[in-house]
Amino acid sequence: QKEVEQNSGPLSVPEGAIASLNCTYSDRGSQSFFWYRQYSGKSPELIMFIYSNGDKEDGRFTAQLNKASQYVSLLIRDSQPSDSATYLCAAMIYNQGGKLIFGQGTELSVKP
Amino acid sequence: DARVTQTPRHKVTEMGQEVTMRCQPILGHNTVFWYRQTMMQGLELLAYFRNRAPLDDSGMPKDRFSAEMPDATLATLKIQPSEPRDSAVYFCASGWTSGGTDTQYFGPGTRLTVL
Repeated sequence: QKEVEQNSGPLSVPEGAIASLNCTYSDRGSQSFFWYRQYSGKSPELIMFIYSNGDKEDGRFTAQLNKASQYVSLLIRDSQPSDSATYLCAAMIYNQGGKLIFGQGTELSVKP
Repeated sequence: DARVTQTPRHKVTEMGQEVTMRCQPILGHNTVFWYRQTMMQGLELLAYFRNRAPLDDSGMPKDRFSAEMPDATLATLKIQPSEPRDSAVYFCASGWTSGGTDTQYFGPGTRLTVL
């Protein structure tokens, strides 16, 4: 079992819809969680992070964390074609010097 | 606009040759990470440093890979000898590690092709 798991997709949503990206993790020592966006041929760029249970909103993005269920999600409201990319979920394990464990990524396609 | 820089951006080499990749972390960051990304394996952590000291290189094939940080502005990843299975994109990332919500910022990557 991978430490961080994501559905590889592709996830296809129409423009203007809500895209929901999900991630589960196995290590209960995971402390913080990060969402990165990676366009094809580019490097991962940080979207947001979350470390407390509940929701965290930043513009059109909302991260959700449920530590009891070991589940993290990213919601993208009013999806745009420019949101089409691979979204990487990463978990930071407590006391390991900032080490991140990445999932395989979910490919999102937003259709005009 | 502070960024992580990596050189070279592309490298094509023949099997058996030495490859050196360089990374300049963001000024002031105390942690540097080396990742490798392939379609099959995704993003894998190879090694990382804090305050220039190696913390973990368990993700690296020890017999052929080596990572160093000779000073605070330069991290290197060497492969000797290179093999076709080393073909991948190698990313360097830097961050400030405080034990809390540490964030990492990625460089543009080095796309390595070993023939």
